[in-house]
Amino acid sequence: DSGVTQTPKHLITATGQRVTLRCSPRSGDLSVYWYQQSLDQGLQFLIQYYNGEERAKGNILERFSAQQFPDLHSELNLSSLELGDSALYFCASSVEQGQETQYFGPGTRLLVL
Amino acid sequence: GQNIDQPTEMTATEGAIVQINCTYQTSGFNGLFWYQQHAGEAPTFLSYNVLDGLEEKGRFSSFLSRSKGYSYLLLKELQMKDSASYLCAVRGVNSGGYQKVTFGTGTKLQVIP
Repeated sequence: DSGVTQTPKHLITATGQRVTLRCSPRSGDLSVYWYQQSLDQGLQFLIQYYNGEERAKGNILERFSAQQFPDLHSELNLSSLELGDSALYFCASSVEQGQETQYFGPGTRLLVL
Repeated sequence: GQNIDQPTEMTATEGAIVQINCTYQTSGFNGLFWYQQHAGEAPTFLSYNVLDGLEEKGRFSSFLSRSKGYSYLLLKELQMKDSASYLCAVRGVNSGGYQKVTFGTGTKLQVIP
């Protein structure tokens, strides 16, 4: 158990819909990262927040957005969902913003039908 | 930008030794990570190298040569449970001047009896 929690574990929805994925980092960690992993694909970095501020942006679509709240939990919002958005979405956290060792949550498996 | 190369798949025999290579190109190199990921699960941290040389941790060792942009993960006394994907990740500097970690697509290791 890494100490990072993600909800929900599984999510099934339809094309065109909007969903919100939630992540709570390890106690004391200020940075949160979001990754997407499609079937048999590598981890694609989406976005990083540090202490509430956006710190780095990866291959995140405009239909996707995220934020980190004052209590340091983070939410990833996915809208106008497409079939290709079906993937595992991981959240990770680290102590500082330097992206040292990241601890990953169990992931949310999203299936868009 | 950052570019990471590692073999897609490898097969090795239980009890044997296997070496998984990773070559990279990055700006502002500041460390290399190895993560293990079992299918459908979250990646878990294995090792971190920032200086040249070999770091040993039980059955797993990781080597780094910064001048060659090269690292390897060595797994000894292979066990069936070592069947997993092994992700090489490089920490560098993004265009905004912030630290950024980029993951390779991973090497899927199959351990056979």
